[in-house]
Amino acid sequence: GAGVSQSPSNKVTEKGKDVELRCDPISGHTALYWYRQSLGQGLEFLIYFQGNSAPDKSGLPSDRFSAERTGGSVSTLTIQRTQQEDSAVYLCASSLQGLSTEAFFGQGTRLTVV
Amino acid sequence: KNEVEQSPQNLTAQEGEFITINCSYSVGISALHWLQQHPGGGIVSLFMLSSGKKKHGRLIATINIQEKHSSLHITASHPRDSAVYICAAYGGSQGNLIFGKGTKLSVKP
Repeated sequence: GAGVSQSPSNKVTEKGKDVELRCDPISGHTALYWYRQSLGQGLEFLIYFQGNSAPDKSGLPSDRFSAERTGGSVSTLTIQRTQQEDSAVYLCASSLQGLSTEAFFGQGTRLTVV
Repeated sequence: KNEVEQSPQNLTAQEGEFITINCSYSVGISALHWLQQHPGGGIVSLFMLSSGKKKHGRLIATINIQEKHSSLHITASHPRDSAVYICAAYGGSQGNLIFGKGTKLSVKP
């Protein structure tokens, strides 16, 4: 596609439910990143994919968070048993070969856990 | 101390003013990104720098690797430039960016 696409754009879920957030990177971009921005906070790194593998998962805040990427393209971030502190904007970015090349961001998914 | 520091935190300017946002970092980097985030959350990449200076329209970004400092300049500022500007450093050894806390710019007509 022309840009990084994320879906849904907004998600309201009940505490304790599982949610899946999707990211469609720019075609041909091998690197994909997930970030989180909580209300009033700066951006926080979650996970990085190079192709289908995730060499850096250091930012995932708990074992309720997982992510996968298939076919070197679409990525899914899954949050199990959501908590209110998971409420945030989840941003996805992709770049051609890693962060020495320009990163392009999606519009984000605003997750609200009630 | 944060590894990436931005100043000022908030900036209010009159339309037409020349604006400078500063970014200092303490980590060794292979690239530095300047990002723009408008209300509503969408992020746009403005520049990616590893040395020297880049210009795009009214925006200029410079980096001094020895001093570990980068600046973003906006010439002839306009209310539509109002946004949060974020500096992010890429250290090269991991896949993640280290973000500054952002500078909130408000340009008044």
